[in-house]
Amino acid sequence: SQQGEEDPQALSIQEGENATMNCSYKTSINNLQWYRQNSGRGLVHLILIRSNEREKHSGRLRVTLDTSKKSSSLLITASRAADTASYFCATDVNRDDKIIFGKGTRLHILP
Amino acid sequence: NAGVMQNPRHLVRRRGQEARLRCSPMKGHSHVYWYRQLPEEGLKFMVYLQKENIIDESGMPKERFSAEFPKEGPSILRIQQVVRGDSAAYFCASSPDGGYGEKLFFGSGTQLSVL
Repeated sequence: SQQGEEDPQALSIQEGENATMNCSYKTSINNLQWYRQNSGRGLVHLILIRSNEREKHSGRLRVTLDTSKKSSSLLITASRAADTASYFCATDVNRDDKIIFGKGTRLHILP
Repeated sequence: NAGVMQNPRHLVRRRGQEARLRCSPMKGHSHVYWYRQLPEEGLKFMVYLQKENIIDESGMPKERFSAEFPKEGPSILRIQQVVRGDSAAYFCASSPDGGYGEKLFFGSGTQLSVL
């Protein structure tokens, strides 16, 4: 079963704008990760945030984690055409080793 | 240091045939995960293996599907007597230690088409 659920399912924005995607999950986690997938390719790891962290930055990416609400957000600032991809959150369920992915947000950056 | 290698990239099988998907993890990685993806959907966990051990196969169908990760050689996902519903992209990922807090390195996937 899916652990994470991304929202929205699809998002189209103009180049240069900021893109925000959300992820909600059901059970306690140790860590939450975000991955990107370009069409027809494997996933690429973007950022990992641990359960005791609230916010993390990496370049144009900002991730927040609210364990009380069981939710995370991924913000991409100053979007570029190359950011067009699907974005997935992934969680490793507490006391479990497997990593479960959500259904993803399809982001399309308009020129 | 080569990334995760999956082959074949594309595999076409007729109903009832067997499909063998191979995954060579990154050098030094002893943990392998297999996921399945249908078009426009997320990745569905199938199985998590360490060298010579199946750690978690809760996502694997009970029949026709099996996976192994021998001491030597690649991890193999085997699907016997394929049906049209098995058509999907199958992704393999590896990590050095597995478990908590490990990021995964993905291969490019094998697209299985069942005729």
